[in-house]
Amino acid sequence: EDKVVQSPLSLVVHEGDTVTLNCSYEVTNFRSLLWYKQEKKAPTFLFMLTSSGIEKKSGRLSSILDKKELFSILNITATQTGDSAIYLCAVEGQTGANNLFFGTGTRLTVIP
Amino acid sequence: EPEVTQTPSHQVTQMGQEVILRCVPISNHLYFYWYRQILGQKVEFLVSFYNNEISEKSEIFDDQFSVERPDGSNFTLKIRSTKLEDSAMYFCASSVPNEKLFFGSGTQLSVL
Repeated sequence: EDKVVQSPLSLVVHEGDTVTLNCSYEVTNFRSLLWYKQEKKAPTFLFMLTSSGIEKKSGRLSSILDKKELFSILNITATQTGDSAIYLCAVEGQTGANNLFFGTGTRLTVIP
Repeated sequence: EPEVTQTPSHQVTQMGQEVILRCVPISNHLYFYWYRQILGQKVEFLVSFYNNEISEKSEIFDDQFSVERPDGSNFTLKIRSTKLEDSAMYFCASSVPNEKLFFGSGTQLSVL
Protein backbone atom coordinates (compact mmCIF):
# COMPACT_ATOMS: atom_id res chain seq x y z
CA GLU A 1 0.00 0.00 0.00
CA ASP A 2 1.27 3.48 -0.84
CA LYS A 3 2.51 5.34 2.17
CA VAL A 4 3.78 8.83 2.92
CA VAL A 5 5.19 9.48 6.39
CA GLN A 6 6.06 12.92 7.66
CA SER A 7 8.08 13.82 10.69
CA PRO A 8 7.94 15.40 13.09
CA LEU A 9 4.18 15.60 13.50
CA SER A 10 4.55 18.97 15.16
CA LEU A 11 7.31 21.41 15.86
CA VAL A 12 7.54 24.60 17.87
CA VAL A 13 10.45 26.96 17.20
CA HIS A 14 11.42 30.55 17.85
CA GLU A 15 11.59 33.16 15.16
CA GLY A 16 14.93 33.03 13.40
CA ASP A 17 15.43 29.31 13.90
CA THR A 18 16.04 26.94 11.00
CA VAL A 19 13.78 23.92 10.64
CA THR A 20 13.96 20.73 8.63
CA LEU A 21 10.81 18.80 7.84
CA ASN A 22 11.01 15.22 6.67
CA CYS A 23 8.96 13.15 4.28
CA SER A 24 9.54 9.49 3.45
CA TYR A 25 7.48 7.54 1.00
CA GLU A 26 6.68 4.16 -0.46
CA VAL A 27 4.73 4.63 -3.64
CA THR A 28 4.17 2.45 -6.65
CA ASN A 29 5.41 4.05 -9.84
CA PHE A 30 6.70 7.26 -8.31
CA ARG A 31 6.26 10.29 -10.53
CA SER A 32 6.81 13.33 -8.32
CA LEU A 33 6.80 14.63 -4.77
CA LEU A 34 5.13 17.90 -3.84
CA TRP A 35 5.22 20.12 -0.79
CA TYR A 36 2.22 22.24 0.13
CA LYS A 37 1.62 24.76 2.91
CA GLN A 38 -1.78 24.67 4.56
CA GLU A 39 -2.59 27.69 6.69
CA LYS A 40 -6.33 28.08 6.98
CA LYS A 41 -7.94 26.07 4.25
CA ALA A 42 -6.51 25.46 0.80
CA PRO A 43 -3.10 23.82 0.50
CA THR A 44 -0.88 26.21 -1.39
CA PHE A 45 1.88 24.89 -3.59
CA LEU A 46 5.52 25.18 -2.55
CA PHE A 47 7.64 22.76 -4.56
CA MET A 48 7.41 19.92 -7.02
CA LEU A 49 10.36 17.53 -7.12
CA THR A 50 10.95 14.88 -9.71
CA SER A 51 14.73 14.43 -9.83
CA SER A 52 17.09 13.32 -7.11
CA GLY A 53 19.68 15.65 -5.69
CA ILE A 54 18.49 18.86 -7.28
CA GLU A 55 17.63 21.46 -4.68
CA LYS A 56 14.68 23.69 -5.33
CA LYS A 57 14.73 27.04 -3.61
CA SER A 58 12.24 29.82 -3.04
CA GLY A 59 13.36 32.54 -0.69
CA ARG A 60 13.95 31.05 2.74
CA LEU A 61 12.48 27.70 1.72
CA SER A 62 14.31 24.91 -0.03
CA SER A 63 13.67 21.27 -0.71
CA ILE A 64 15.49 18.27 -2.07
CA LEU A 65 14.54 14.75 -3.07
CA ASP A 66 16.44 11.49 -2.64
CA LYS A 67 14.86 8.85 -4.87
CA LYS A 68 17.26 6.17 -3.77
CA GLU A 69 16.46 6.51 -0.07
CA LEU A 70 12.85 7.54 -0.82
CA PHE A 71 12.66 10.76 1.14
CA SER A 72 12.55 14.49 0.84
CA ILE A 73 13.30 17.34 3.19
CA LEU A 74 11.91 20.82 3.37
CA ASN A 75 14.14 23.44 4.97
CA ILE A 76 13.01 26.79 6.24
CA THR A 77 15.70 29.20 7.36
CA ALA A 78 15.25 32.32 9.51
CA THR A 79 11.69 31.30 10.37
CA GLN A 80 9.02 33.93 10.82
CA THR A 81 5.64 33.77 12.56
CA GLY A 82 4.03 33.74 9.11
CA ASP A 83 5.63 30.37 8.47
CA SER A 84 3.32 28.83 11.06
CA ALA A 85 1.21 26.32 9.16
CA ILE A 86 0.80 22.66 8.40
CA TYR A 87 3.29 21.52 5.79
CA LEU A 88 2.00 18.72 3.63
CA CYS A 89 4.07 16.28 1.62
CA ALA A 90 2.29 14.54 -1.24
CA VAL A 91 3.48 11.96 -3.71
CA GLU A 92 2.14 11.26 -7.13
CA GLY A 93 2.19 7.59 -7.95
CA GLN A 94 0.11 4.91 -9.60
CA THR A 95 -0.96 5.73 -13.09
CA GLY A 96 -1.10 9.27 -14.28
CA ALA A 97 -3.74 11.90 -13.63
CA ASN A 98 -1.65 13.66 -11.01
CA ASN A 99 -3.41 11.87 -8.15
CA LEU A 100 -1.68 12.79 -4.92
CA PHE A 101 -1.19 10.68 -1.83
CA PHE A 102 -0.71 12.94 1.17
CA GLY A 103 1.12 12.50 4.42
CA THR A 104 -0.46 13.64 7.68
CA GLY A 105 1.53 16.85 7.64
CA THR A 106 3.89 18.59 10.05
CA ARG A 107 2.36 21.37 12.13
CA LEU A 108 4.95 24.12 12.49
CA THR A 109 4.46 26.83 15.07
CA VAL A 110 6.87 29.76 15.07
CA ILE A 111 6.75 31.85 18.22
CA PRO A 112 8.11 35.41 18.43
CA GLU B 1 -2.80 34.32 -10.07
CA PRO B 2 -5.74 32.23 -11.32
CA GLU B 3 -7.55 30.28 -8.67
CA VAL B 4 -9.98 27.46 -8.13
CA THR B 5 -13.20 28.65 -6.54
CA GLN B 6 -15.55 26.55 -4.46
CA THR B 7 -19.05 27.16 -3.22
CA PRO B 8 -20.45 27.13 -0.65
CA SER B 9 -17.69 27.61 1.90
CA HIS B 10 -19.84 25.90 4.52
CA GLN B 11 -22.66 23.42 4.07
CA VAL B 12 -24.76 21.97 6.86
CA THR B 13 -27.10 19.13 6.05
CA GLN B 14 -29.15 16.45 7.70
CA MET B 15 -28.08 12.83 7.50
CA GLY B 16 -29.64 11.16 4.48
CA GLN B 17 -29.93 14.36 2.48
CA GLU B 18 -28.25 14.95 -0.86
CA VAL B 19 -25.61 17.64 -1.19
CA ILE B 20 -23.89 19.13 -4.20
CA LEU B 21 -20.55 20.81 -3.79
CA ARG B 22 -19.54 23.14 -6.57
CA CYS B 23 -16.20 24.08 -8.02
CA VAL B 24 -15.00 26.28 -10.83
CA PRO B 25 -11.57 25.01 -11.91
CA ILE B 26 -8.96 27.19 -13.56
CA SER B 27 -10.09 27.77 -17.11
CA ASN B 28 -7.29 26.16 -19.13
CA HIS B 29 -6.88 23.17 -16.83
CA LEU B 30 -7.80 19.73 -18.05
CA TYR B 31 -7.68 17.57 -14.92
CA PHE B 32 -10.09 18.02 -12.07
CA TYR B 33 -10.06 16.42 -8.64
CA TRP B 34 -11.88 16.12 -5.38
CA TYR B 35 -10.05 15.54 -2.13
CA ARG B 36 -11.36 15.53 1.40
CA GLN B 37 -9.88 16.13 4.82
CA ILE B 38 -11.65 14.88 7.90
CA LEU B 39 -10.85 17.06 10.91
CA GLY B 40 -7.44 16.19 12.28
CA GLN B 41 -6.68 13.69 9.54
CA LYS B 42 -4.76 13.78 6.29
CA VAL B 43 -5.95 14.99 2.94
CA GLU B 44 -7.38 12.02 1.01
CA PHE B 45 -7.88 11.58 -2.71
CA LEU B 46 -11.44 10.92 -3.82
CA VAL B 47 -11.59 11.14 -7.59
CA SER B 48 -9.94 12.55 -10.69
CA PHE B 49 -11.76 13.57 -13.85
CA TYR B 50 -10.42 14.07 -17.34
CA ASN B 51 -12.00 14.35 -20.74
CA ASN B 52 -15.50 14.22 -19.27
CA GLU B 53 -15.03 10.99 -17.41
CA ILE B 54 -13.63 9.66 -14.18
CA SER B 55 -10.00 8.69 -14.68
CA GLU B 56 -9.36 7.35 -11.22
CA LYS B 57 -11.20 6.99 -7.92
CA SER B 58 -10.36 5.84 -4.43
CA GLU B 59 -12.12 3.32 -2.22
CA ILE B 60 -13.80 6.23 -0.46
CA PHE B 61 -15.58 7.21 -3.67
CA ASP B 62 -18.38 4.67 -3.50
CA ASP B 63 -21.81 4.64 -5.15
CA GLN B 64 -22.99 7.48 -2.92
CA PHE B 65 -20.64 9.84 -4.70
CA SER B 66 -20.77 11.17 -8.22
CA VAL B 67 -19.06 13.93 -10.17
CA GLU B 68 -20.19 15.95 -13.11
CA ARG B 69 -19.02 18.74 -15.35
CA PRO B 70 -22.42 20.02 -16.37
CA ASP B 71 -21.58 23.07 -18.42
CA GLY B 72 -17.91 23.25 -19.32
CA SER B 73 -16.94 25.47 -16.41
CA ASN B 74 -18.36 23.95 -13.23
CA PHE B 75 -17.24 20.68 -11.65
CA THR B 76 -19.54 19.24 -9.03
CA LEU B 77 -19.39 16.55 -6.38
CA LYS B 78 -22.71 15.04 -5.35
CA ILE B 79 -23.23 12.95 -2.25
CA ARG B 80 -26.59 11.21 -2.61
CA SER B 81 -27.41 10.26 0.95
CA THR B 82 -25.05 11.86 3.40
CA LYS B 83 -23.74 10.05 6.44
CA LEU B 84 -22.26 11.47 9.61
CA GLU B 85 -18.82 10.26 8.52
CA ASP B 86 -19.03 12.35 5.35
CA SER B 87 -18.42 15.42 7.50
CA ALA B 88 -15.14 16.85 6.25
CA MET B 89 -13.52 19.66 4.33
CA TYR B 90 -13.86 18.92 0.63
CA PHE B 91 -11.23 20.37 -1.66
CA CYS B 92 -11.54 20.73 -5.39
CA ALA B 93 -8.35 20.94 -7.42
CA SER B 94 -7.36 21.32 -11.03
CA SER B 95 -4.22 21.01 -13.08
CA VAL B 96 -2.69 20.70 -16.49
CA PRO B 97 -0.97 17.37 -17.26
CA ASN B 98 2.13 16.67 -15.19
CA GLU B 99 1.98 19.98 -13.36
CA LYS B 100 1.13 20.96 -9.81
CA LEU B 101 -2.41 20.86 -8.53
CA PHE B 102 -4.12 24.11 -7.61
CA PHE B 103 -6.53 23.69 -4.71
CA GLY B 104 -9.66 25.63 -3.92
CA SER B 105 -10.40 26.98 -0.45
CA GLY B 106 -12.66 24.05 0.32
CA THR B 107 -16.23 23.44 1.40
CA GLN B 108 -16.71 22.48 5.02
CA LEU B 109 -19.49 19.90 5.05
CA SER B 110 -21.20 19.17 8.34
CA VAL B 111 -23.67 16.29 8.45
CA LEU B 112 -25.96 16.35 11.48
